[in-house]
Amino acid sequence: DTGVSQNPRHKITKRGQNVTFRCDPISEHNRLYWYRQTLGQGPEFLTYFQNEAQLEKSRLLSDRFSAERPKGSFSTLEIQRTEQGDSAMYLCASSLARDSLGSDTQYFGPGTRLTVL
Amino acid sequence: AQSVTQLGSHVSVSEGALVLLRCNYSSSVPPYLFWYVQYPNQGLQLLLKYTSAATLVKGINGFEAEFKKSETSFHLTKPSAHMSDAAEYFCAVIPAPSNTGKLIFGQGTTLQVKP
Repeated sequence: DTGVSQNPRHKITKRGQNVTFRCDPISEHNRLYWYRQTLGQGPEFLTYFQNEAQLEKSRLLSDRFSAERPKGSFSTLEIQRTEQGDSAMYLCASSLARDSLGSDTQYFGPGTRLTVL
Repeated sequence: AQSVTQLGSHVSVSEGALVLLRCNYSSSVPPYLFWYVQYPNQGLQLLLKYTSAATLVKGINGFEAEFKKSETSFHLTKPSAHMSDAAEYFCAVIPAPSNTGKLIFGQGTTLQVKP
Protein backbone atom coordinates (compact mmCIF):
# COMPACT_ATOMS: atom_id res chain seq x y z
CA ASP A 1 0.00 0.00 0.00
CA THR A 2 1.83 3.04 -1.31
CA GLY A 3 -0.96 5.56 -0.83
CA VAL A 4 -2.71 7.70 -3.40
CA SER A 5 -0.42 9.15 -6.03
CA GLN A 6 -1.05 12.01 -8.43
CA ASN A 7 0.84 13.16 -11.50
CA PRO A 8 2.06 15.63 -12.35
CA ARG A 9 2.57 17.45 -9.06
CA HIS A 10 2.75 20.80 -10.78
CA LYS A 11 1.46 21.98 -14.15
CA ILE A 12 1.87 25.39 -15.71
CA THR A 13 -0.06 26.01 -18.88
CA LYS A 14 -1.22 28.86 -21.05
CA ARG A 15 -4.83 29.87 -21.24
CA GLY A 16 -6.70 27.88 -23.86
CA GLN A 17 -4.55 24.78 -23.62
CA ASN A 18 -5.82 21.36 -22.54
CA VAL A 19 -4.38 19.59 -19.51
CA THR A 20 -4.79 16.10 -18.09
CA PHE A 21 -4.09 14.90 -14.58
CA ARG A 22 -3.76 11.34 -13.37
CA CYS A 23 -4.67 9.77 -10.04
CA ASP A 24 -3.67 6.30 -8.89
CA PRO A 25 -5.73 5.27 -5.87
CA ILE A 26 -4.87 2.81 -3.15
CA SER A 27 -5.20 -0.63 -4.72
CA GLU A 28 -8.60 -2.29 -4.24
CA HIS A 29 -10.25 0.98 -3.20
CA ASN A 30 -13.53 1.03 -5.06
CA ARG A 31 -14.32 4.73 -4.68
CA LEU A 32 -12.33 7.60 -6.15
CA TYR A 33 -13.03 11.29 -5.62
CA TRP A 34 -11.79 14.52 -7.21
CA TYR A 35 -11.76 17.79 -5.30
CA ARG A 36 -10.55 21.28 -6.15
CA GLN A 37 -8.89 23.57 -3.63
CA THR A 38 -8.24 27.24 -4.22
CA LEU A 39 -5.95 29.37 -2.09
CA GLY A 40 -7.27 29.92 1.41
CA GLN A 41 -10.28 27.67 0.93
CA GLY A 42 -11.24 24.16 1.83
CA PRO A 43 -11.45 21.51 -0.90
CA GLU A 44 -14.66 21.42 -2.94
CA PHE A 45 -16.13 18.22 -4.33
CA LEU A 46 -16.00 17.81 -8.10
CA THR A 47 -16.96 14.23 -8.89
CA TYR A 48 -16.67 10.64 -7.75
CA PHE A 49 -16.54 7.10 -9.11
CA GLN A 50 -17.68 3.82 -7.71
CA ASN A 51 -15.48 1.37 -9.58
CA GLU A 52 -15.63 2.58 -13.19
CA ALA A 53 -19.00 4.33 -12.91
CA GLN A 54 -19.09 8.10 -12.47
CA LEU A 55 -22.00 8.50 -10.06
CA GLU A 56 -22.06 12.19 -9.22
CA LYS A 57 -20.78 15.43 -10.69
CA SER A 58 -20.78 18.79 -8.99
CA ARG A 59 -22.21 21.80 -10.78
CA LEU A 60 -18.66 23.19 -10.40
CA LEU A 61 -17.66 20.73 -13.09
CA SER A 62 -18.33 22.67 -16.28
CA ASP A 63 -18.51 21.11 -19.73
CA ARG A 64 -14.79 21.77 -20.13
CA PHE A 65 -14.04 19.23 -17.42
CA SER A 66 -14.20 15.49 -17.95
CA ALA A 67 -13.15 12.64 -15.72
CA GLU A 68 -12.74 8.97 -16.43
CA ARG A 69 -11.90 5.81 -14.58
CA PRO A 70 -11.89 3.31 -17.41
CA LYS A 71 -10.99 0.11 -15.60
CA GLY A 72 -11.98 1.02 -12.11
CA SER A 73 -8.37 1.66 -11.12
CA PHE A 74 -6.60 4.92 -12.05
CA SER A 75 -8.53 8.03 -13.03
CA THR A 76 -7.85 11.01 -15.27
CA LEU A 77 -9.22 14.52 -15.04
CA GLU A 78 -9.03 16.58 -18.21
CA ILE A 79 -9.63 20.30 -18.50
CA GLN A 80 -10.15 21.64 -21.99
CA ARG A 81 -9.55 25.25 -23.03
CA THR A 82 -8.15 26.19 -19.64
CA GLU A 83 -9.01 29.54 -18.09
CA GLN A 84 -7.17 31.49 -15.41
CA GLY A 85 -9.97 30.68 -13.00
CA ASP A 86 -9.05 27.01 -13.27
CA SER A 87 -5.83 27.68 -11.36
CA ALA A 88 -6.08 25.59 -8.21
CA MET A 89 -4.88 22.45 -6.46
CA TYR A 90 -6.66 19.36 -7.74
CA LEU A 91 -6.89 16.66 -5.11
CA CYS A 92 -7.73 13.02 -5.57
CA ALA A 93 -8.91 10.72 -2.80
CA SER A 94 -9.85 7.06 -2.62
CA SER A 95 -11.78 4.93 -0.18
CA LEU A 96 -13.07 1.43 0.34
CA ALA A 97 -16.84 1.60 0.65
CA ARG A 98 -17.88 -1.39 2.75
CA ASP A 99 -21.51 -0.43 3.14
CA SER A 100 -24.08 2.07 2.01
CA LEU A 101 -23.61 4.43 4.94
CA GLY A 102 -21.02 6.55 3.18
CA SER A 103 -18.81 6.99 6.23
CA ASP A 104 -15.71 5.38 4.74
CA THR A 105 -12.41 7.20 5.26
CA GLN A 106 -11.00 8.99 2.25
CA TYR A 107 -7.24 8.96 1.73
CA PHE A 108 -5.87 11.91 -0.19
CA GLY A 109 -3.07 12.21 -2.68
CA PRO A 110 -0.57 15.10 -2.65
CA GLY A 111 -2.49 16.98 -5.32
CA THR A 112 -1.68 18.56 -8.67
CA ARG A 113 -1.18 22.29 -8.59
CA LEU A 114 -2.37 23.90 -11.82
CA THR A 115 -1.32 27.39 -12.82
CA VAL A 116 -2.96 28.90 -15.88
CA LEU A 117 -1.11 31.90 -17.29
CA ALA B 1 -27.70 22.61 2.29
CA GLN B 2 -25.22 21.18 4.71
CA SER B 3 -22.42 23.56 5.69
CA VAL B 4 -19.40 23.63 7.95
CA THR B 5 -18.11 26.70 9.78
CA GLN B 6 -14.66 26.93 11.25
CA LEU B 7 -14.43 29.87 13.60
CA GLY B 8 -11.12 31.64 13.21
CA SER B 9 -9.08 31.38 10.02
CA HIS B 10 -5.86 31.77 12.01
CA VAL B 11 -5.07 30.54 15.51
CA SER B 12 -1.77 31.21 17.23
CA VAL B 13 -0.60 29.40 20.37
CA SER B 14 2.65 29.04 22.24
CA GLU B 15 4.48 25.75 22.29
CA GLY B 16 3.09 23.67 25.15
CA ALA B 17 -0.22 25.53 25.27
CA LEU B 18 -3.68 24.11 24.68
CA VAL B 19 -4.84 23.93 21.08
CA LEU B 20 -8.55 24.54 20.42
CA LEU B 21 -9.88 24.67 16.86
CA ARG B 22 -13.59 25.22 16.47
CA CYS B 23 -15.99 23.57 14.06
CA ASN B 24 -19.77 23.85 13.79
CA TYR B 25 -22.01 22.12 11.30
CA SER B 26 -25.52 22.84 10.14
CA SER B 27 -27.75 19.80 10.10
CA SER B 28 -30.77 18.48 11.96
CA VAL B 29 -29.41 14.96 11.57
CA PRO B 30 -25.95 14.38 13.03
CA PRO B 31 -23.56 13.86 10.12
CA TYR B 32 -20.31 11.98 9.96
CA LEU B 33 -17.57 14.36 11.07
CA PHE B 34 -13.88 14.50 10.25
CA TRP B 35 -10.78 16.53 10.98
CA TYR B 36 -7.98 16.59 8.42
CA VAL B 37 -4.57 18.27 8.58
CA GLN B 38 -2.69 19.65 5.60
CA TYR B 39 1.00 20.49 5.65
CA PRO B 40 2.38 22.86 3.00
CA ASN B 41 2.31 21.44 -0.51
CA GLN B 42 0.89 18.14 0.70
CA GLY B 43 -2.44 16.38 0.57
CA LEU B 44 -4.80 15.99 3.49
CA GLN B 45 -4.17 13.54 6.30
CA LEU B 46 -6.97 12.23 8.48
CA LEU B 47 -6.64 13.14 12.16
CA LEU B 48 -9.86 11.58 13.42
CA LYS B 49 -13.49 10.89 12.58
CA TYR B 50 -16.85 10.56 14.28
CA THR B 51 -19.42 8.12 12.95
CA SER B 52 -22.03 7.91 15.74
CA ALA B 53 -20.07 5.81 18.19
CA ALA B 54 -18.36 7.44 21.20
CA THR B 55 -18.81 11.22 21.33
CA LEU B 56 -15.19 11.77 22.39
CA VAL B 57 -12.95 10.71 19.54
CA LYS B 58 -9.21 10.27 19.87
CA GLY B 59 -7.01 10.71 16.85
CA ILE B 60 -3.39 10.71 15.85
CA ASN B 61 -0.65 12.98 17.21
CA GLY B 62 -2.47 13.53 20.51
CA PHE B 63 -5.51 15.25 19.02
CA GLU B 64 -9.06 14.57 20.10
CA ALA B 65 -12.50 15.99 19.32
CA GLU B 66 -15.84 15.91 21.07
CA PHE B 67 -19.14 15.66 19.24
CA LYS B 68 -21.81 17.81 20.93
CA LYS B 69 -25.19 17.39 19.27
CA SER B 70 -26.86 20.14 21.32
CA GLU B 71 -24.25 22.63 20.11
CA THR B 72 -23.83 21.13 16.62
CA SER B 73 -20.10 21.28 17.26
CA PHE B 74 -17.05 19.10 16.78
CA HIS B 75 -14.14 21.10 18.20
CA LEU B 76 -10.58 19.79 17.93
CA THR B 77 -8.24 19.95 20.92
CA LYS B 78 -4.73 19.00 21.93
CA PRO B 79 -3.46 19.56 25.48
CA SER B 80 0.05 20.67 24.53
CA ALA B 81 1.06 22.14 21.19
CA HIS B 82 4.27 21.11 19.44
CA MET B 83 6.06 23.10 16.77
CA SER B 84 5.33 20.27 14.34
CA ASP B 85 1.58 20.90 14.75
CA ALA B 86 1.83 24.08 12.69
CA ALA B 87 -0.34 23.38 9.64
CA GLU B 88 -3.78 23.98 8.19
CA TYR B 89 -6.68 22.09 9.72
CA PHE B 90 -9.94 21.30 8.01
CA CYS B 91 -13.20 20.16 9.53
CA ALA B 92 -15.41 18.19 7.15
CA VAL B 93 -18.76 16.44 7.17
CA ILE B 94 -20.53 13.76 5.22
CA PRO B 95 -24.25 14.46 5.58
CA ALA B 96 -26.04 11.44 6.99
CA PRO B 97 -27.54 9.37 5.59
CA SER B 98 -25.26 9.34 2.58
CA ASN B 99 -24.48 6.78 -0.06
CA THR B 100 -21.93 8.96 -1.86
CA GLY B 101 -19.43 9.71 0.88
CA LYS B 102 -18.58 13.12 -0.56
CA LEU B 103 -16.98 15.44 1.96
CA ILE B 104 -18.07 19.01 2.62
CA PHE B 105 -15.18 21.01 4.04
CA GLY B 106 -14.92 24.12 6.15
CA GLN B 107 -12.65 26.93 5.04
CA GLY B 108 -9.80 25.80 7.23
CA THR B 109 -7.88 27.13 10.21
CA THR B 110 -4.18 27.85 10.05
CA LEU B 111 -2.47 26.93 13.29
CA GLN B 112 0.69 28.81 14.17
CA VAL B 113 2.83 27.54 17.05
CA LYS B 114 5.22 30.03 18.58
CA PRO B 115 8.37 28.91 20.40
